[in-house]
Amino acid sequence: GAVVSQHPSWVICKSGTSVKIECRSLDFQATTMFWYRQFPKQSLMLMATSNEGSKATYEQGVEKDKFLINHASLTLSTLTVTSAHPEDSSFYICSAREGDRGRTAKNIQYFGAGTRLSVL
Amino acid sequence: GENVEQHPSTLSVQEGDSAVIKCTYSDSASNYFPWYKQELGKRPQLIIDIRSNVGEKKDQRIAVTLNKTAKHFSLHITETQPEDSAVYFCAASMSGTYKYIFGTGTRLKVLA
Repeated sequence: GAVVSQHPSWVICKSGTSVKIECRSLDFQATTMFWYRQFPKQSLMLMATSNEGSKATYEQGVEKDKFLINHASLTLSTLTVTSAHPEDSSFYICSAREGDRGRTAKNIQYFGAGTRLSVL
Repeated sequence: GENVEQHPSTLSVQEGDSAVIKCTYSDSASNYFPWYKQELGKRPQLIIDIRSNVGEKKDQRIAVTLNKTAKHFSLHITETQPEDSAVYFCAASMSGTYKYIFGTGTRLKVLA
């Protein structure tokens, strides 16, 4: 149980285009989803917290107009990298937590497999 | 905001030896501390966690200790095996936001 699916796993795009990444909780309802960015051999840096039905909360230094987050349902959150540039190339990982009334512990985050974005 | 420091950044041990990874956090309001293992190209997997009302927790070869006063917590792996080789991340979290602030990671190599 507690599986998080992330799609696509790898995407290459041209500079200036937008890319959408999906994060789905497959067997539980995710009250909260989180988006992280991970540079090679570095830690996971929290970008934003996404709550179902409300606006995402972005961490300091993360451009909300650049990284659009939508959490339209309890099982799906999307991250759109708008007008992508080579410096946006990175590994993006989502995670999800079930919530206070779920069967899983409310603190635990379950991670997707990540999306490797390469912007040419 | 919360800041988590993790040491060492790399650790090599002989198979069968123990490995210890240490983390410190800054925000005394943090009350949940998970440890994740990430193998190359794969998703982080929770291996053990501890809450602030507990000082120690053990699960087979893995244990975590927490010192709230000093604001540090440690991961202990005993009888290490080659398959323990991975990057380990500690994190600190608090009720309310539930967001994780991760440490910088420790690359563990278990030499056969």
